[in-house]
Amino acid sequence: SQQGEEDPQALSIQEGENATMNCSYKTSINNLQWYRQNSGRGLVHLILIRSNEREKHSGRLRVTLDTSKKSSSLLITASRAADTASYFCATSTDKLIFGTGTRLQVFP
Amino acid sequence: EPEVTQTPSHQVTQMGQEVILRCVPISNHLYFYWYRQILGQKVEFLVSFYNNEISEKSEIFDDQFSVERPDGSNFTLKIRSTKLEDSAMYFCASNGDVSGNTIYFGEGSWLTVV
Repeated sequence: SQQGEEDPQALSIQEGENATMNCSYKTSINNLQWYRQNSGRGLVHLILIRSNEREKHSGRLRVTLDTSKKSSSLLITASRAADTASYFCATSTDKLIFGTGTRLQVFP
Repeated sequence: EPEVTQTPSHQVTQMGQEVILRCVPISNHLYFYWYRQILGQKVEFLVSFYNNEISEKSEIFDDQFSVERPDGSNFTLKIRSTKLEDSAMYFCASNGDVSGNTIYFGEGSWLTVV
């Protein structure tokens, strides 16, 4: 299985702080994608990083990928209460395999 | 921003009834997927579909499930005889290129089997 495992399972921080979520996986991938899910809602694509990339930025998001360690991290800088959601990494070959997710709570 | 649309957003059905969940993928996409998420659990792959046939399916996707692209725009998931454990959020997704593009998800169809 190439299932991703996120760490931590839950994270609580204050507004303005940075949030870091980690993802580990088991097999070779084409790319790794991060998604956000508000409670009971759909999956919103955040960022895709290809297997030959090491770091990518999008607004307040920074994603790293270390294929030698089979791990990725998602950093959200200057967090806001609206960032409260579950965040999933998903590894991609011909389909996405999702990790277990990190539940992020940002307190105002 | 491209969008995958799903209907219905919520359906309640009696155990043993047939359910059809509908999806309109992004228009120029070629690869289509169904995933499900049981409440509080992770998102699980059900099936992928390309060139009018199933390309891969998971163990969850047993004989009770089927998919179809009846008219070139809609992509449907049918559950023939629903069970209580089929209660979940079902997500449709589409992709333009299996090797490296973003996979876009719909908002989901919440199925409750009673």
